[in-house]
Amino acid sequence: GAVVSQHPSWVICKSGTSVKIECRSLDFQATTMFWYRQFPKQSLMLMATSNEGSKATYEQGVEKDKFLINHASLTLSTLTVTSAHPEDSSFYICSARGGWTGTSGASFYEQYFGPGTRLTVT
Amino acid sequence: DAKTTQPPSMDCAEGRAANLPCNHSTISGNEYVYWYRQIHSQGPQYIIHGLKNNETNEMASLIITEDRKSSTLILPHATLRDTAVYYCIVTVDQGGKLIFGQGTELSVKP
Repeated sequence: GAVVSQHPSWVICKSGTSVKIECRSLDFQATTMFWYRQFPKQSLMLMATSNEGSKATYEQGVEKDKFLINHASLTLSTLTVTSAHPEDSSFYICSARGGWTGTSGASFYEQYFGPGTRLTVT
Repeated sequence: DAKTTQPPSMDCAEGRAANLPCNHSTISGNEYVYWYRQIHSQGPQYIIHGLKNNETNEMASLIITEDRKSSTLILPHATLRDTAVYYCIVTVDQGGKLIFGQGTELSVKP
């Protein structure tokens, strides 16, 4: 099946620094990728949707200048948390879906999730 | 997208069928019902989705009522590995953005 990876799986950084999280579709081309965050004992919250080669669409309340998303290729999207603060500590999860034509190796009708990245800001 | 309501938690005995209900009384005619699950500290996993008809795959069955205001996810023979939070999501955009609710925490017990 379609596999999505994330790197790193966990990261600890100091307040004020920036952290980059990578999301890769390993065996299919992902025209669309999504970024979510999840606080302990809470549900996932969609942060943004990114399409390859275009600017990401952010959900209401998500600061686009703080959470920089780049989707430069059909297999890679990155999320950079800039000037991280302790309140940004969370579980960040990406997902991807296949192309409309169905030839990308993954379904267009479902999202494939990565294993998540746990960010701790001290 | 229509809002969904799920019980916060359920228990199920190992080997028995797990029936997880979802209420989506404001669903529109063009909205799909999706089910995902999340095992602790992992990314969610797609289970099944449907529009009007009942659906079955290797993981589960989805039963949608005729008026489409509610649905039930059925895991026919629950195992300990099925312990997870199950999310019922209604969306018009197949494969598109997902708005997660609180889900149902299913505990499968020996």
